[in-house]
Amino acid sequence: QVQLVESGGGLVKPGGSLRLSCAASGFAFSDYFMVWIRQSPEKGLQWLSYISPTSSYITYTDSVKGRFTISRDNAKNSLYLQMNSLRADDTAVYYCARRKIDAFDIWGQGTTVTVSS
Amino acid sequence: DIQMTQSPSSLSASVGDRVTITCQASQDINTYLNWYQQKPGKAPNLLIYDASNLETGVPSRFSGRGSGTYFTLAISSLQPEDIGTYYCQHYDDVPYTFGQGTKLELK
Repeated sequence: QVQLVESGGGLVKPGGSLRLSCAASGFAFSDYFMVWIRQSPEKGLQWLSYISPTSSYITYTDSVKGRFTISRDNAKNSLYLQMNSLRADDTAVYYCARRKIDAFDIWGQGTTVTVSS
Repeated sequence: DIQMTQSPSSLSASVGDRVTITCQASQDINTYLNWYQQKPGKAPNLLIYDASNLETGVPSRFSGRGSGTYFTLAISSLQPEDIGTYYCQHYDDVPYTFGQGTKLELK
């Protein structure tokens, strides 16, 4: 079935790095824009970044620009988020999602990132 | 950034009630508005896209209306499985932003 599965979350110290992965199955991954979204009690749902099918178009929200990098490997049906210079306010559940006609129609189960000393 | 404001923040209703949630955008977003439902511990689930289009598999008791800056999500006859938190989200331009959520509970 159509599925997205995130991994790579965990506890990291401020200033540290993490790489999140999102494995896609059940659909033609290389045909779709993909996004990362996070959710925290303080800020709610926050769209972070999207990447086009061929990685030609990439954009970020301002709060992660220069610190986070989205990428994909269509041969592996995988999406990634490299997160550097992590701060306490990056603590959240991170979701990958498929973008279909500008809506996020398929979401992963989420992976939790905690930034704390 | 475009701000999305939902009301009410929480709502208590009985099975069979008609429920309406509103979402206001800080500027004109045409019909570039989606609605999601989220249940505790789960990811959001797309209900309505482009303001009024029902996502495949979503019950017909859900409907969306609006354009410009004012939007509504309605549930015609509330069912127990509709309990959760509802979010609107615009896609007029990046950054896409979400409303703060409306928590729907059973009375």
